[in-house]
Amino acid sequence: AQKVTQAQTEISVVEKEDVTLDCVYETRDTTYYLFWYKQPPSGELVFLIRRNSFDEQNEISGRYSWNFQKSTSSFNFTITASQVVDSAVYFCALSESNNNDMRFGAGTRLTVKP
Amino acid sequence: DVKVTQSSRYLVKRTGEKVFLECVQDMDHENMFWYRQDPGLGLRLIYFSYDVKMKEKGDIPEGYSVSREKKERFSLILESASTNQTSMYLCASSSGGLNTEAFFGQGTRLTVV
Repeated sequence: AQKVTQAQTEISVVEKEDVTLDCVYETRDTTYYLFWYKQPPSGELVFLIRRNSFDEQNEISGRYSWNFQKSTSSFNFTITASQVVDSAVYFCALSESNNNDMRFGAGTRLTVKP
Repeated sequence: DVKVTQSSRYLVKRTGEKVFLECVQDMDHENMFWYRQDPGLGLRLIYFSYDVKMKEKGDIPEGYSVSREKKERFSLILESASTNQTSMYLCASSSGGLNTEAFFGQGTRLTVV
């Protein structure tokens, strides 16, 4: 069964620090999709990125970057120069090609202090 | 603007009551999901549906059932609510197929007393 592990339960940083959120996944499928979602205090999950298993190219979007490494089954998320508005719970998720469901990790609560 | 709407933001029910949580999406999505979110456990999949009248069990289906009579609506039913079902419930939908993202509702915080 597919599985997603986010070992960091909570992280606290000071504004302008860089922070990396870890995500490790397990799947037997060769075709799969990985996602990151942000859940701000308002509660509604917001999609950040998806990556398919055949595209290991890292992606950068402003202060956000993602590092996908199939060799270590990891899909880590880095926020550069963190801001207070980045405070949220971040979830990593996995979807396999032969399933229609999506499985989430336990989430990492990020607190950015001014 | 795409939307997934959950009928209630907050609910308080008594033990033993039958509870309906409703979710409607306006994106013509095939897939719909119900998750439960608890501190330290993240999101756990209760049920999902990939078509009208079709349903699949997720990781924690016990004590729950679902109904999908129309494509846009996916209902979660607690046949006899118990205090251990006090939680945040999140509904989501996706278009299915490859390369899809899920869109989430605002969540329903259910308290069973």
